Amino acid sequence: DSGVTQTPKHLITATGQRVTLRCSPRSGDLSVYWYQQSLDQGLQFLIQYYNGEERAKGNILERFSAQQFPDLHSELNLSSLELGDSALYFCASSVGGLGVGEQFFGPGTRLTVL
Amino acid sequence: GEDVEQSLFLSVREGDSSVINCTYTDSSSTYLYWYKQEPGAGLQLLTYIFSNMDMKQDQRLTVLLNKKDKHLSLRIADTQTGDSAIYFCAEGASGTYKYIFGTGTRLKVLA
Repeated sequence: DSGVTQTPKHLITATGQRVTLRCSPRSGDLSVYWYQQSLDQGLQFLIQYYNGEERAKGNILERFSAQQFPDLHSELNLSSLELGDSALYFCASSVGGLGVGEQFFGPGTRLTVL
Repeated sequence: GEDVEQSLFLSVREGDSSVINCTYTDSSSTYLYWYKQEPGAGLQLLTYIFSNMDMKQDQRLTVLLNKKDKHLSLRIADTQTGDSAIYFCAEGASGTYKYIFGTGTRLKVLA
């Protein structure tokens, strides 16, 4: 158990819908990272927050947005869902955010868009 | 570009050594990591190496770093069926927010 929790574990929805994925980092970790893992594209970095502020952005679509709240939990919002958005979404956390140190991964949310 | 490259698949027999290779992008990367992802789970850090080192050994794991060629490898000695997983290398640079994962290598260990 990494100490990072993600909910829900599974999510099935239809095209065009909007979903929210939630992540609680390990106690004491200030950085939260979101990744998308699909079969054909491997692990794609989406976005990073550090202590409530966006710090780095990867291949995140405009239909996707995220935020980190004062209690440090984070939410990833996916809207106008398409079939290709079906993937595993991982959240990770780390103490700092400066390219060093271990990232601790949550168990992931499996999103299926029908 | 910012692609960290790995071969997609590797198959070895139980008891043999496995070598997983990675080519990273930025010579200024300070830390290089190896993560393991077992089926249905998130990634777990296996080991890491500082960029000023050439080699690091940790029980059955040996990490080799060739900075000139930006090449990183992970050797697993006496590979077991429990080592079957996807292995990701990642690079990070201190003082930046960069932390880039490779494409992952799926290791299959045959009994």
